Amino acid sequence: DAKTTQPNSMESNEEEPVHLPCNHSTISGTDYIHWYRQLPSQGPEYVIHGLTSNVNNRMASLAIAEDRKSSTLILHRATLRDAAVYYCILRGAWMDSSYKLIFGSGTRLLVRP
Amino acid sequence: NAGVTQTPKFQVLKTGQSMTLQCAQDMNHNSMYWYRQDPGMGLRLIYYSASEGTTDKGEVPNGYNVSRLNKREFSLRLESAAPSQTSVYFCASSETGGAYEQYFGPGTRLTVT
Repeated sequence: DAKTTQPNSMESNEEEPVHLPCNHSTISGTDYIHWYRQLPSQGPEYVIHGLTSNVNNRMASLAIAEDRKSSTLILHRATLRDAAVYYCILRGAWMDSSYKLIFGSGTRLLVRP
Repeated sequence: NAGVTQTPKFQVLKTGQSMTLQCAQDMNHNSMYWYRQDPGMGLRLIYYSASEGTTDKGEVPNGYNVSRLNKREFSLRLESAAPSQTSVYFCASSETGGAYEQYFGPGTRLTVT
């Protein structure tokens, strides 16, 4: 399974943008880039995913490098509720055995009031 | 919609006891998953079921068995619990394929003494 590398922790001020990086240099052409987050004492929550193009939804934006070897999750205005562990995960296509999610250790985001 | 539900929420077992963790989803998803999360770690996949009638091992299947009872329900059984199985267990479901997100249950916190 292709691996991802994320910083262990990051800090941000409330109402400022946050850019969470992820490196995935061994990504294959059929791997989707997924982001999940886990708030304290809760199950993981889907945030966003993409394949090649940048993606936006109500929670965040995902910027994918042209060579797809890295991506960045962007929270446009961090709130205290965004304090969580953020996981960047590669998920293979249907016929690929790696379509299941493999979680790494993620980035712990601290948001300062 | 309840999403993904898990029972029980908490459980304490003695070494050697057995128990079954229950999971159900009401989103008509084909794929279901069982993960465990040890303190300070990311999630690790125990077993998954790509579709009704099929199950496959994940990263850490030893000591566990699963049953995909029907499309809605996917249970995880510990035949002879060990202290090393003390963890938080999460069930998840999704449509099958890399483009689809997983939805997670609230988790079962299991302690084996």
